[in-house]
Amino acid sequence: DAGITQSPRHKVTETGTPVTLRCHQTENHRYMYWYRQDPGHGLRLIHYSYGVKDTDKGEVSDGYSVSRSKTEDFLLTLESATSSQTSVYFCAISELGGATRTGELFFGEGSRLTVL
Amino acid sequence: AQKITQTQPGMFVQEKEAVTLDCTYDTSDPSYGLFWYKQPSSGEMIFLIYQGSYDQQNATEGRYSLNFQKARKSANLVISASQLGDSAMYFCAMRVPNQGGKLIFGQGTELSVKP
Repeated sequence: DAGITQSPRHKVTETGTPVTLRCHQTENHRYMYWYRQDPGHGLRLIHYSYGVKDTDKGEVSDGYSVSRSKTEDFLLTLESATSSQTSVYFCAISELGGATRTGELFFGEGSRLTVL
Repeated sequence: AQKITQTQPGMFVQEKEAVTLDCTYDTSDPSYGLFWYKQPSSGEMIFLIYQGSYDQQNATEGRYSLNFQKARKSANLVISASQLGDSAMYFCAMRVPNQGGKLIFGQGTELSVKP
């Protein structure tokens, strides 16, 4: 299994508070992603990174920021959490052109965030 | 714009029977990849099978096969000899080139296997 750790795994917070989710990988993969999963929507991409300090927006990036200061860590920050950001957040990694021909994404276990 | 559509929110299948989960996609890129993932009730995302747009043969992985019909832009997952452990949410996804390897996911199909 790919070495991906998300923290925290569960968090309950109040509207308006900042929240940071951490994704840590031990695979040295170049690409890292943050998705959110909501019923009826599948997984939607928030932000992704294609290298240290190189990030780009996904389809649902409003209200979120990311940072990647090291290859192994990708942080997702909600500057001021809202109830609409209650969701399950997944981190994923991939290595296009690497050992796997397919370049599939390997996912972390998910972080369940509840904003009251 | 690229899009993945799964039109079956939920499906039931009898144990030991085969089942097909539908997936259609839309892209104007000639080069793309199609993926299926399984998400059991425990929540983890498990990669099942991959099909490249230039692959001549349909992909197979054990009991999973991908029925790839390029002209119809469909990539249906076929599970043969269903088992109780196949009960899960299944997601179809697509990757297009030059977009950081990201995957676009469908809404998912929840499969329930009956004993």
